[in-house]
This record gives sequence, structure tokens and C-alpha cells, in this order.
Amino acid sequence: EVQLVESGGGLVQPGRSLRLSCTTSGFTFGDYAMTWVRQAPGKGLEWVGFIRNKPYGGTAEYAASVKGRFTISRDDSKSIAYLQMNSLKTEDTAVYYCTRRAVYLDYWGQGTLVTVSS
Amino acid sequence: DIQMTQSPSSLSASVGDRVTITCRASQDIANYLAWYQQKPGKVPNLLIYAASSLQSGVPSRFSGSGSGTDFTLTITSLQPEDVATYYCQRYNGAPITFGQGTRLEIK
Repeated sequence: EVQLVESGGGLVQPGRSLRLSCTTSGFTFGDYAMTWVRQAPGKGLEWVGFIRNKPYGGTAEYAASVKGRFTISRDDSKSIAYLQMNSLKTEDTAVYYCTRRAVYLDYWGQGTLVTVSS
Repeated sequence: DIQMTQSPSSLSASVGDRVTITCRASQDIANYLAWYQQKPGKVPNLLIYAASSLQSGVPSRFSGSGSGTDFTLTITSLQPEDVATYYCQRYNGAPITFGQGTRLEIK
């Protein structure tokens, strides 16, 4: 059974950093790109970015709203994807979902809430 | 960036009705389109990919059609459990974009 479990969310002050983890199981992690999607309270879905798997260079792409502040990485030996969030803003407050693939998103984690507030 | 516009933003229909939600891309995206269902308080769930391919486990009353710039999600016989917000998503390259969502309610 494919499982994705996010962790690391919480309350953080503006300007600070936070790292989210997405621990996966049930599939060969190295065969897939991984994507982060967020959803602000009461709002729609927003793509944050994805990281390709190693055969495709292992590189990442980002939404304009987070580029230069957020970094996606992966540890294929542990089957974990990460989202490093720096210089957080109040508008980054959202539930952050880890998802599988970088095209259509076939499996989603339960999400982790990040609240940016002073 | 390519924009995705859904219509309507919300709709109310009766059990058993045929429901149609449309999604329009600002540029040709071929068939690189997916549809998701998000029930209240739940995680989004993939319904359709490649514009018309039904994801495994999704009821056959859901179907998708279209290519290029105009796409449709159809529910042939609305059920109470279909109350949700539906999103389209294009994936023909970064940045990936979602439609704004269509909220579906039961009359």
C-alpha cells in the first residue's frame, strides 16, 4: 500500500524557517518525482514545486511565489522528500501536501499545517 | 503562465442528475489535464488523468473529455457522496496550475 506521511508543520514566526518531511512507503521511491502542493485555509490548491527523480536529473522546479525561499530535496536511501522553507511569510500559512509524481498526482499525504504568525 | 478557468464556481444539483463541470486553459495543453475531488475536510483524490482516463478505483459515473483548451468533467448520476469541490489541473510542464475549484452541492 502506497503511503505518504508529512511531518514538521507547526507555528512559526514570519521570517523564520521550517523543514517539512514526507516519509513514503509502498513503492520504489527512486522511480518517482515528488511534488508539494499547499492549500491556504478555505482556499484552493496551489502547486509549490516538484523534484525529479535521479534518472531525470534530480532537479527541482518551483512556483514563482516560493522560488528563492523554498527548496525541495530528496533522500532516496530513506524514501523521504523534504521541503525546506526559509523567510516564511504570513501568506505561506497553509496545509502542505506531499504527492507522488510531477504530472497528475496519484497519491497524496494527509497534509501538515504550517501557520506563519507572530 | 497558462491559466486554468473552471465554471461554474459552484452548483447545486439533485441526486440522479447529470452534472457537468468545465475547465478552460488559456493555451493549448493537448490532453495534459487531470481532475481531482476534494470532499469537505479531506485530502484531494485523483479522478481523471490524461483528460479522459479514469483512475483506478474511481466510480464509472465519473468521466472526462476534451483536448486542447476545453475540458469537461461529467458525473452521469449524481450521488450524495459526490458532494465535494472539484479541481482541474494542467501538467504540461512547470509551473503546474490548478483551476480555482467548483463546489458541488446537493439540492
